[in-house]
Amino acid sequence: GNSVTQMEGPVTLSEEAFLTINCTYTATGYPSLFWYVQYPGEGLQLLLKATKADDKGSNKGFEATYRKETTSFHLEKGSVQVSDSAVYFCALSPPTSGTYKYIFGTGTRLKVLA
Amino acid sequence: GAVVSQHPSWVICKSGTSVKIECRSLDFQATTMFWYRQFPKQSLMLMATSNEGSKATYEQGVEKDKFLINHASLTLSTLTVTSAHPEDSSFYICSAAPGGRVDIQYFGAGTRLSVL
Repeated sequence: GNSVTQMEGPVTLSEEAFLTINCTYTATGYPSLFWYVQYPGEGLQLLLKATKADDKGSNKGFEATYRKETTSFHLEKGSVQVSDSAVYFCALSPPTSGTYKYIFGTGTRLKVLA
Repeated sequence: GAVVSQHPSWVICKSGTSVKIECRSLDFQATTMFWYRQFPKQSLMLMATSNEGSKATYEQGVEKDKFLINHASLTLSTLTVTSAHPEDSSFYICSAAPGGRVDIQYFGAGTRLSVL
């Protein structure tokens, strides 16, 4: 079946450090891949997405590349800020017709220290 | 951006009572809304998909009589946990897809339910 595995947190970094949060997936066909971020007390917000192999999603300095060969969609940022502290969710949507139905990873909590 | 409001954010109830959670799209019409459940340190699990004016579609293993979903308008969906028990304690999150769109969902902040 379809599934998403992401690294367990929490991840604690100093400001301006490099961030990588690993995400791998299992799916039939060619799913769409997403990263969502949840700030304290708020709903999940779409951070970036990629809909086909080799696509790179990017937003707010974050990047992730859809790697079909390694079934991965790792999230990276070159220099994190305290304001990036949040929970990050990797998700996929199977290639079915109609509205997307997400399958989420467990979430990775990021804490950035000043 | 689009805002989805979920209420209440936290509710504590006694075993055997029913609890209603509301999900509202504040600045757009949502033809489709989704309800998720999240256990501690686990993934968000899709419970059901609701379309305005029709019955909800429940995922396998989700009791439709236990988790009643009503999507009565284009801006409001409700989830009622009937005869709640401690094992129903969890974090419930809703999301809404804007009318005509199938590629994006906007999420509420979630409701933490604690059943004593």
